[in-house]
Amino acid sequence: DSGVTQTPKHLITATGQRVTLRCSPRSGDLSVYWYQQSLDQGLQFLIQYYNGEERAKGNILERFSAQQFPDLHSELNLSSLELGDSALYFCASSVDMGQGAYEQYFGPGTRLTVT
Amino acid sequence: GNSVTQMEGPVTLSEEAFLTINCTYTATGYLSLFWYVQYPGEGLQLLLKATKADDKGSNKGFEATYRKETTSFHLEKGSVQVSDSAVYFCALSVQGGSEKLVFGKGTKLTVNP
Repeated sequence: DSGVTQTPKHLITATGQRVTLRCSPRSGDLSVYWYQQSLDQGLQFLIQYYNGEERAKGNILERFSAQQFPDLHSELNLSSLELGDSALYFCASSVDMGQGAYEQYFGPGTRLTVT
Repeated sequence: GNSVTQMEGPVTLSEEAFLTINCTYTATGYLSLFWYVQYPGEGLQLLLKATKADDKGSNKGFEATYRKETTSFHLEKGSVQVSDSAVYFCALSVQGGSEKLVFGKGTKLTVNP
């Protein structure tokens, strides 16, 4: 158990709908990262938040947005869903290894199926 | 941009065989290199890491050495077990910059008894 929690575990929804994925980082970790794992694209970084502020953005679609709340949990909002958005969505939080190096711990993921 | 290339899978071995999964990278700056493992139906677990050139990361019998001269971080294990069957991902991040992980495509390992 990494200490990072994600809910729900599975989500099935229809095209055009909107969903919210939730993540709680490990106790004391200020950063949250979101990744998407799909068969064709592999594991891709979406976005990072640090202590409530957006820190880095990757290949995140405009239909997707995220935020981090004062209690440090984060939500990833996916809207106008398309079949191609079906994937595993992972959240991670990080530990400082010193000298600008960080170690990321992953949650169990949310499997999104768009039908 | 930065990238990681892993050997194509799947890899099938017999129990107690020697394992090597090749990983090379293209990136500049001070790097952290990682191997993550994903067991069926589970999330990613950090297997081992290295944060400077010539560092050797090791865990659970697995080893990998950060070779700057060959831009490689190959994963090895001397004697695999059935329980090592999983997908293995090589990844990197740039120290002092965005901490995002850049992953290889993953290598599926199956170990038969």
